[in-house]
Amino acid sequence: AQKITQTQPGMFVQEKEAVTLDCTYDTSDPSYGLFWYKQPSSGEMIFLIYQGSYDQQNATEGRYSLNFQKARKSANLVISASQLGDSAMYFCAMRDSSYNTDKLIFGTGTRLQVFP
Amino acid sequence: DTAVSQTPKYLVTQMGNDKSIKCEQNLGHDTMYWYKQDSKKFLKIMFSYNNKELIINETVPNRFSPKSPDKAHLNLHINSLELGDSAVYFCASSQQDYQETQYFGPGTRLLVL
Repeated sequence: AQKITQTQPGMFVQEKEAVTLDCTYDTSDPSYGLFWYKQPSSGEMIFLIYQGSYDQQNATEGRYSLNFQKARKSANLVISASQLGDSAMYFCAMRDSSYNTDKLIFGTGTRLQVFP
Repeated sequence: DTAVSQTPKYLVTQMGNDKSIKCEQNLGHDTMYWYKQDSKKFLKIMFSYNNKELIINETVPNRFSPKSPDKAHLNLHINSLELGDSAVYFCASSQQDYQETQYFGPGTRLLVL
């Protein structure tokens, strides 16, 4: 069965430092996508970054990069140069290629707090 | 130019009432979803529709009934509301491909008293 695991319920990081949020996944489908979303205290879900299962390079979007290690089934989010505005919940999610089960499977989230 | 919109943003109601949440997307996507986020922030799929056809109904009580009048709209009607229905409900849309991003609406915070 598909599963996403985020083992860090909470993380602290000092402003301007880098932080890694962990995510491991499990699926038997060779075709899948991995996504990270940010949920600030205002509640909306903001898409950050995507990694496809066949992508050879790690995805990057500005200060966000995804450390994709396919053999280990991990897709960690790296935020460089943290800012106070990065304080939020972060969710890792997976979507596989099955039409009949097309959905995002979410992890339990990691609450990141950035301090000055 | 909001991509995925939901109304209302907040909904406070009494147990036993019936309520609806509306969702609209202007992204031209062919698939729409309802997710529920519980008090522990866990997000779980409820329904997905592709071109107005129900694809996923994820063990949701019969009191919840989605309706998709067209590709751009997916509404959620809830009958006989219970205390346990209190949650945040998110609508999302996407193209039907695992590589495509799902974009979320702002969420509807439902509180059942």
